[in-house]
Amino acid sequence: DTAVSQTPKYLVTQMGNDKSIKCEQNLGHDTMYWYKQDSKKFLKIMFSYNNKELIINETVPNRFSPKSPDKAHLNLHINSLELGDSAVYFCASSQALFALYGYTFGSGTRLTVV
Amino acid sequence: AQTVTQSQPEMSVQEAETVTLSCTYDTSESDYYLFWYKQPPSRQMILVIRQEAYKQQNATENRFSVNFQKAAKSFSLKISDSQLGDAAMYFCAYRIGGGADGLTFGKGTHLIIQP
Repeated sequence: DTAVSQTPKYLVTQMGNDKSIKCEQNLGHDTMYWYKQDSKKFLKIMFSYNNKELIINETVPNRFSPKSPDKAHLNLHINSLELGDSAVYFCASSQALFALYGYTFGSGTRLTVV
Repeated sequence: AQTVTQSQPEMSVQEAETVTLSCTYDTSESDYYLFWYKQPPSRQMILVIRQEAYKQQNATENRFSVNFQKAAKSFSLKISDSQLGDAAMYFCAYRIGGGADGLTFGKGTHLIIQP
């Protein structure tokens, strides 16, 4: 009964391909996020959505496009993948935009671009 | 911009001993929240403990406690009676109260437990 689930867990793909990572939460939370963890384990926010509305859009190449069909889902589509996109991508959710209780994270998607 | 600094890239402790992980942060806000997250080799991010800046009392969760020094902008994590299962990366994180900025993370401390 996973609270925040991401698929796939692992993704190996060639440079130039387009790929998507899906995220779903069954917690009834209003806000969802995408974080990127680089090879040095540093976590940085990429996007956040609140009730399907884009709230945070950090300085991320426009090859990355989030989509939220409903508040339980936040997918990440990446066009024209580059070697530097290799990282672990985490989806997370929080009860509300101004959440007091931290986030619930998915188990991450390790993306390897070859 | 807010920053979170973890000055210890790696720490090692004997099983059953106590270890303290350091975290400092920089902010001009008075309303904010601080967190410690654990990331074991499984990669899952697990919330260990949280602290509201307006509370003077240090948060405690079983063997985990914090030493929150607001004036010094310091938020250290103490793990008592260390267990092998505590081995993980530990991340300190900050978020502004009433703000939509998301969590800002430190670079993490790799904790090794020696049997």
